[in-house]
Amino acid sequence: GESVGLHLPTLSVQEGDNSIINCAYSNSASDYFIWYKQESGKGPQFIIDIRSNMDKRQGQRVTVLLNKTVKHLSLQIAATQPGDSAVYFCAENIPPGDMRFGAGTRLTVKP
Amino acid sequence: DAGVIQSPRHEVTEMGQEVTLRCKPISGHNSLFWYRQTMMRGLELLIYFNNNVPIDDSGMPEDRFSAKMPNASFSTLKIQPSEPRDSAVYFCASGDSSYEQYFGPGTRLTVT
Repeated sequence: GESVGLHLPTLSVQEGDNSIINCAYSNSASDYFIWYKQESGKGPQFIIDIRSNMDKRQGQRVTVLLNKTVKHLSLQIAATQPGDSAVYFCAENIPPGDMRFGAGTRLTVKP
Repeated sequence: DAGVIQSPRHEVTEMGQEVTLRCKPISGHNSLFWYRQTMMRGLELLIYFNNNVPIDDSGMPEDRFSAKMPNASFSTLKIQPSEPRDSAVYFCASGDSSYEQYFGPGTRLTVT
């Protein structure tokens, strides 16, 4: 029979456009969040993090926004490049140290 | 630093055989994590160690899986006996006092 796997949300953007990847987390007690990037054939790689006492944090070309009211996290990538094509995971830390990963979103950048 | 080192990178074995996956964490890190990634279930935490002591092994699927960390620079994940449904990519990650985890390149396991 046909195998059923995770159907990753996908986002396709044009090179140079901004990308927004969203994540809904599960636990209102989560105190720390990380975005990871996973390229094909590699392990997840840290991009940016944010603590629960913040609502925004900026890095180089990336911004993470946290809305605790609706338990929502987003990753914004400015001027998306082909090298940004990957699967992006959000992860939440449920105290004292239970890190849970989301299913991931596949970002494809069209040249 | 070379980062987290995992071996082997690829392993193909027949069902019923014992499989041992190895991990060398980043020097100075005090936490080590074993994950399994499949298309069906995504990235799953199997077990993690803090200062070489297993803290949470609730993600270990069953008694066929065992993990050890005899010292701060080495950990193993063993599957005995292996089954086709164990086929996956197994990641090891290490961390320091922050929550950030540094992932290794993974071991792709195929059980036929």
